Amino acid sequence: EDKVVQSPLSLVVHEGDTVTLNCSYEVTNFRSLLWYKQEKKAPTFLFMLTSSGIEKKSGRLSSILDKKELFSILNITATQTGDSAVYLCAGGGGTSYGKLTFGQGTILTVHP
Amino acid sequence: GAVVSQHPSRVICKSGTSVKIECRSLDFQATTMFWYRQFPKQSLMLMATSNEGSKATYEQGVEKDKFLINHASLTLSTLTVTSAHPEDSSFYICSARERALRLEQYFGPGTRLTVT
Repeated sequence: EDKVVQSPLSLVVHEGDTVTLNCSYEVTNFRSLLWYKQEKKAPTFLFMLTSSGIEKKSGRLSSILDKKELFSILNITATQTGDSAVYLCAGGGGTSYGKLTFGQGTILTVHP
Repeated sequence: GAVVSQHPSRVICKSGTSVKIECRSLDFQATTMFWYRQFPKQSLMLMATSNEGSKATYEQGVEKDKFLINHASLTLSTLTVTSAHPEDSSFYICSARERALRLEQYFGPGTRLTVT
């Protein structure tokens, strides 16, 4: 059975701190690792990673994938209160339906 | 781009009734749509995958006769919760995938279902 595990489950920091969120995966026919941010409602797409060692960056967020060790990290630098959310990672397999297996999420709280 | 809408955003119904939730891709054609369920403080649990014009594929443990899925067009999928019970109360989220975008799924805003 496919499995995605995130750590830590929750994290509390102050504005300006840098955080690293972890995601390990065991996904049959693995193709890609995706990161989402979920606030009040539905998740919004952040990154999709398919190749090892190539960092993807968007503003203060960056992510990298290690396909040998089967994990990914999401870094957020200079955190802001607006970064408070649940961060989900998902492993995508090679089935024709493109199924994603989600981790349990990391709850990030950024205090002013 | 890649906007997905869901309707209604909230619904309250009585036990034994049926509820239909619509999921639409607004600016792209979605060959595949997914239905998830999310309990408070938990992650997304995939219920079923639907491809336009064919029967949905349900995940293990999901009753297909209770959760009817129809993907009649490239922009619309519906989930009908039949004979709803209070334990069906949950947050239901759909997502859509466009062929060209590979594995990225774009999510609708979700529907909060409360069964009394």
